[in-house]
Amino acid sequence: EVQLVESGGGLVKPGGSLRLSCAASGFTFSNAWMSWVRQAPGKGLEWVGRIKSKTDGGTTDYAAPVKGRFTISRDDSKNTLYLQMNSLKTEDTAVYYCTTDRGGWLQFRYYYYMDVWGKGTTVTVSS
Amino acid sequence: QSVLTQPPSVSEAPRQRVTISCSGSSSNIGNNAVNWYQQLPGKAPKLLIYYDDLLPSGVSDRFSGSKSGTSASLAISGLQSEDEADYYCAAWDDSLNGLYVFGTGTKVTVL
Repeated sequence: EVQLVESGGGLVKPGGSLRLSCAASGFTFSNAWMSWVRQAPGKGLEWVGRIKSKTDGGTTDYAAPVKGRFTISRDDSKNTLYLQMNSLKTEDTAVYYCTTDRGGWLQFRYYYYMDVWGKGTTVTVSS
Repeated sequence: QSVLTQPPSVSEAPRQRVTISCSGSSSNIGNNAVNWYQQLPGKAPKLLIYYDDLLPSGVSDRFSGSKSGTSASLAISGLQSEDEADYYCAAWDDSLNGLYVFGTGTKVTVL
């Protein structure tokens, strides 16, 4: 069974840093593309960013609100995904989910979706 | 600020059918596949529809998706109380400002 378990959330002051982890099991993590998605209290879903598998280049992409502040990385030897969050703002307060992703081209159209989701970890940025 | 627009809420009686719209543009729905996610109260989201109209294994065939131009729709037939949830459309966006975008979300209430 595919499982994703996030950890590392908590209370942090504005301007501070936090690192989230996502422990993966039940699939070949090194082959997986992974994303972080967040949800502010009472709000909708917001994609944070993704990391490709090392065989596909291991590159990262980020949403505009977090670009330059957040860094996604992976340790395939530990089957773990990370989200390093720096220069945190109050608007970063949210539940953060990690996901396994699938993407590619089919009939000349690009598809990308989040296949499996973890239960999430809560980050609160407040003074 | 989402680039995919959904109605905030829809409601219908049990056993009826509801449809949720998702309006986008040529840079997202017009060019790329649309997905739908279901989020039950207090739970993590779950993939409901992918590539416009495909159901993942285990998802009830009471759910169906469609796409036309720069809009997409999710239909739920034979509405049940367990379908009461938030539903989000999503797609890859080719524009410079965003990459993967979610819709604004629709709350489905079973009367």
